[in-house]
Amino acid sequence: DTGVSQNPRHKITKRGQNVTFRCDPISEHNRLYWYRQTLGQGPEFLTYFQNEAQLEKSRLLSDRFSAERPKGSFSTLEIQRTEQGDSAMYLCASSFDTDTQYFGPGTRLTVL
Amino acid sequence: AQSVTQLGSHVSVSEGALVLLRCNYSSSVPPYLFWYVQYPNQGLQLLLKYTTGATLVKGINGFEAEFKKSETSFHLTKPSAHMSDAAEYFCAVSDRRDSSYKLIFGSGTRLLVRP
Repeated sequence: DTGVSQNPRHKITKRGQNVTFRCDPISEHNRLYWYRQTLGQGPEFLTYFQNEAQLEKSRLLSDRFSAERPKGSFSTLEIQRTEQGDSAMYLCASSFDTDTQYFGPGTRLTVL
Repeated sequence: AQSVTQLGSHVSVSEGALVLLRCNYSSSVPPYLFWYVQYPNQGLQLLLKYTTGATLVKGINGFEAEFKKSETSFHLTKPSAHMSDAAEYFCAVSDRRDSSYKLIFGSGTRLLVRP
């Protein structure tokens, strides 16, 4: 069990650029979650997959955000036309049909 | 809608002293309750959880929490603080009626441990 991994760990981009993050869940975990954490706040739910199906999206997930989980394994989160307000830590978590989620180390995004 | 309130954004204790981090929730039905710890530039690690059964829950690193329905609280305690406990702690809830198990977090409490 290697845990949840996320890449890259840090991303610095200029406003207006597109960025993509990757999350590799714990092997055989069928549920995958994305959260966003801004400075001094707790994580906020963005979206959730069960296998390859995206079952729920938060209102925080604007049209510029898209997430995929092809084949029910790894997931990607893309942000188009980044804005300074997108600067945050993006956390991924996975679980196997239980209430217990295991979190990755996160990707810290800085938009200049 | 469910919500979580963590009283005190910063708590400072001396090494060896009692740690008490407060968490209150708002929910029409008692939710699943969690405490997570986050070290700088790292993800979240589960300390303990309450889903059903015994209301006093023991977790890792000597932490425990007690679910009190009448007070809608789930406070985290540790009898004796260690320097390595310095971190940010998050209380979270999950609606037991929601099959997604998504978490709603409080704003966190930063624990400082003085030598």
